[in-house]
Amino acid sequence: KQEVTQIPAALSVPEGENLVLNCSFTDSAIYNLQWFRQDPGKGLTSLLLIQSSQREQTSGRLNASLDKSSGRSTLYIAASQPGDSATYLCAVSETMDSSYKLIFGSGTRLLVRP
Amino acid sequence: NAGVMQNPRHLVRRRGQEARLRCSPMKGHSHVYWYRQLPEEGLKFMVYLQKENIIDESGMPKERFSAEFPKEGPSILRIQQVVRGDSAAYFCASSFSESAPLHFGNGTRLTVT
Repeated sequence: KQEVTQIPAALSVPEGENLVLNCSFTDSAIYNLQWFRQDPGKGLTSLLLIQSSQREQTSGRLNASLDKSSGRSTLYIAASQPGDSATYLCAVSETMDSSYKLIFGSGTRLLVRP
Repeated sequence: NAGVMQNPRHLVRRRGQEARLRCSPMKGHSHVYWYRQLPEEGLKFMVYLQKENIIDESGMPKERFSAEFPKEGPSILRIQQVVRGDSAAYFCASSFSESAPLHFGNGTRLTVT
């Protein structure tokens, strides 16, 4: 059974720091992996989606990498800002036919201090 | 250009009452998904519906929970005889097609007292 784990559960950093969030999954046979952002009381915003054949994706100050064989992904945030404070969720889907069935980690709560 | 709309945002029910959660998908989307986020846990898939059809309900509890997506109107997630363990955030998502990216709503926070 696929399980997704995110470490750390919470992280507090000063503004300007570069930081790395970690995600691991137990079964390397995935279809894709996504990183989401969740603000308090709000829904999920998709940040980056990496197909199983890809190694990384970049969007602005965000870079996500995928090492399928080791069951790991990292989300790198450069030059963090207070507006980056949110919960970051990692989710995998296992097959194309079930790509709607995302398996989520419990998230990393990030606080960027001014 | 509204996104996925869920209402109510917050819902309080006493044990034994019924809860009805509504979801209007993004314009042009005919695929709707419901997820549940229990306190301190990740989101978990519940059910996938297309208009008038349940495609995958493998994540739905066997009792008290039902979902529909009628030809006209929003999708409804219905929880009968709620218990305290049903307290959670319920998120709806929609997509243009089965393999297209999901767009999530802001959720309904259900509290059972």
